[in-house]
Amino acid sequence: GNSVTQMEGPVTLSEEAFLTINCTYTATGYPSLFWYVQYPGEGLQLLLKATKADDKGSNKGFEATYRKETTSFHLEKGSVQVSDSAVYFCALVSWGKLQFGAGTQVVVTP
Amino acid sequence: NAGVTQTPKFQVLKTGQSMTLQCAQDMNHEYMSWYRQDPGMGLRLIHYSVGAGITDQGEVPNGYNVSRSTTEDFPLRLLSAAPSQTSVYFCASSSTGGWGYTFGSGTRLTVV
Repeated sequence: GNSVTQMEGPVTLSEEAFLTINCTYTATGYPSLFWYVQYPGEGLQLLLKATKADDKGSNKGFEATYRKETTSFHLEKGSVQVSDSAVYFCALVSWGKLQFGAGTQVVVTP
Repeated sequence: NAGVTQTPKFQVLKTGQSMTLQCAQDMNHEYMSWYRQDPGMGLRLIHYSVGAGITDQGEVPNGYNVSRSTTEDFPLRLLSAAPSQTSVYFCASSSTGGWGYTFGSGTRLTVV
């Protein structure tokens, strides 16, 4: 079956540092890929998406590129802020079914 | 513009009780799903639906029932609550699946 694997957290960074969260997937066919973010005490929000190979999703300074050859969708941000502290989930959709990785907690300190 | 509405927000049940978690969306989305979120385990799919009258099991369906009689509503039924079902439950909907899901704000359920 399909699966999503992402790096374990927590990831602790200083403000203005570079953030990378690794995500790889296993799927049949060509899934759509997503990053969702969950701020403390809140539900999930769609951060960015990519629907085909080599697509780059971007939003709020975050970027991720759909790499079919390495089955990866790594999330990056060049300069994080304290307000980026949250849990980030990599996910895929295949045949309408959305499946998540375990989530990576990111803590940004001033 | 309500989006995905879940009720109740909080619920405490005794072991063996039954209840229904409600989920409604006003975006005319065909796809709807239920997830549970437990610490360190991410979100796990319980049941999903690709349209009215069509449902299927996800990763962790045992102890839960669903039905989809209308496009708007997708209730989740706990038949006989167990402490292992203590969790935060999220409902989500999507127009096509491939363009991302919109999530409700969640129901925090405690079974004692």
